[in-house]
Amino acid sequence: GENVEQHPSTLSVQEGDSAVIKCTYSDSASNYFPWYKQELGKRPQLIIDIRSNVGEKKDQRIAVTLNKTAKHFSLHITETQPEDSAVYFCAATDRGSTLGRLYFGRGTQLTVWP
Amino acid sequence: GAGVSQSPSNKVTEKGKDVELRCDPISGHTALYWYRQSLGQGLEFLIYFQGNSAPDKSGLPSDRFSAERTGGSVSTLTIQRTQQEDSAVYLCASSSGLYTEAFFGQGTRLTVV
Repeated sequence: GENVEQHPSTLSVQEGDSAVIKCTYSDSASNYFPWYKQELGKRPQLIIDIRSNVGEKKDQRIAVTLNKTAKHFSLHITETQPEDSAVYFCAATDRGSTLGRLYFGRGTQLTVWP
Repeated sequence: GAGVSQSPSNKVTEKGKDVELRCDPISGHTALYWYRQSLGQGLEFLIYFQGNSAPDKSGLPSDRFSAERTGGSVSTLTIQRTQQEDSAVYLCASSSGLYTEAFFGQGTRLTVV
């Protein structure tokens, strides 16, 4: 199956700075890469996703880039705000025998200091 | 329903008892996941159902854990002879198919005393 590694495990930034979280995956056939945000005490929610036929996708202050050759993808948050503080999970889908199962990274705790 | 619903929201049980956790996915969603999340930790995969295919049970931590999905809709996660280390939030998620957004329920917080 797929193996997703996520770094860093914790990240602290000053309000207004940018934050970058990186993930690598092992299965070159994976083709769907979502990012989830989990605020304290709440359920994970999708914030952005990208498919393997594009290299970058933006939505206001967040963007995701995908490098299929290197098998890594990254989440970029610009102009960070305190409300961006949360745990962020990346994921990848294995098109193989597991029928599209999502494999999650271990999460990054982002703290934005005012 | 409007989203993925899990019940109960909280469950306190005595060590050694069996518990059943219920997940009602979004209507029409063919994929259903169960995850376990301990305090401050990541999403530990338990089991994955996709349509009529055999479920991926590779994440179940022991034979005390089992899950079923009846009629391709409601799912029940059963933990037999609960142990204190089973205490965690159990999250269910569903999605409409392959390579689509997974929607999470609010979770069931299980405490084994």
